[in-house]
Amino acid sequence: QKEVEQNSGPLSVPEGAIASLNCTYSDRVSQSFFWYRQYSGKSPELIMSIYSNGDKEDGRFTAQLNKASQYVSLLIRDSQPSDSATYLCAVKDGNNRLAFGKGNQVVVIP
Amino acid sequence: GAVVSQHPSRVICKSGTSVKIECRSLDFQATTMFWYRQFPKKSLMLMATSNEGSKATYEQGVEKDKFLINHASLTLSTLTVTSAHPEDSSFYICSASGGPGYNEQFFGPGTRLTVL
Repeated sequence: QKEVEQNSGPLSVPEGAIASLNCTYSDRVSQSFFWYRQYSGKSPELIMSIYSNGDKEDGRFTAQLNKASQYVSLLIRDSQPSDSATYLCAVKDGNNRLAFGKGNQVVVIP
Repeated sequence: GAVVSQHPSRVICKSGTSVKIECRSLDFQATTMFWYRQFPKKSLMLMATSNEGSKATYEQGVEKDKFLINHASLTLSTLTVTSAHPEDSSFYICSASGGPGYNEQFFGPGTRLTVL
């Protein structure tokens, strides 16, 4: 499978602040990108999908995609304690498989 | 919509026994299902891709004779861990995709397997 990199360590943000997560991928032909949220001990939950360059907003979440730079990001506005989780970046390959990054742990401090 | 269930949620078994895990898509037809394994504090590792009515495609390093996958219908796939050993203890998660035009994968709640 192709590589998906999420290099940042745990991210601590105060409640109400913006959490910013970044992801890079190696497969230049990838067309489909996803962000999943995973609470400890639970399975991943899809929160955002993005397929075109630019921004896509859904509630407090904004995904940003730049295919030329092979970069996808996730912004969480007005962070809440319930946003504390691990966020997984996933990229779909030509065989319909998802390659996942290692994840970024987000801790929202009340 | 897009609900995927897994059963059982937890299983504890003795070494040498076989364990079957079921994955069901409840409100859509899943032409493709995927099986993942996740170790503590690690990311998901794809084990195999399962298409309805055909043999599963296993990822490199995954033993097909140990992890038997059956995708007999558009709503059900099963993973059987044969002759389980303690090193097979892990969190097993399935996901389902609804075929062309349905780009997302939706995950089941996972099955935590502990082999004593």
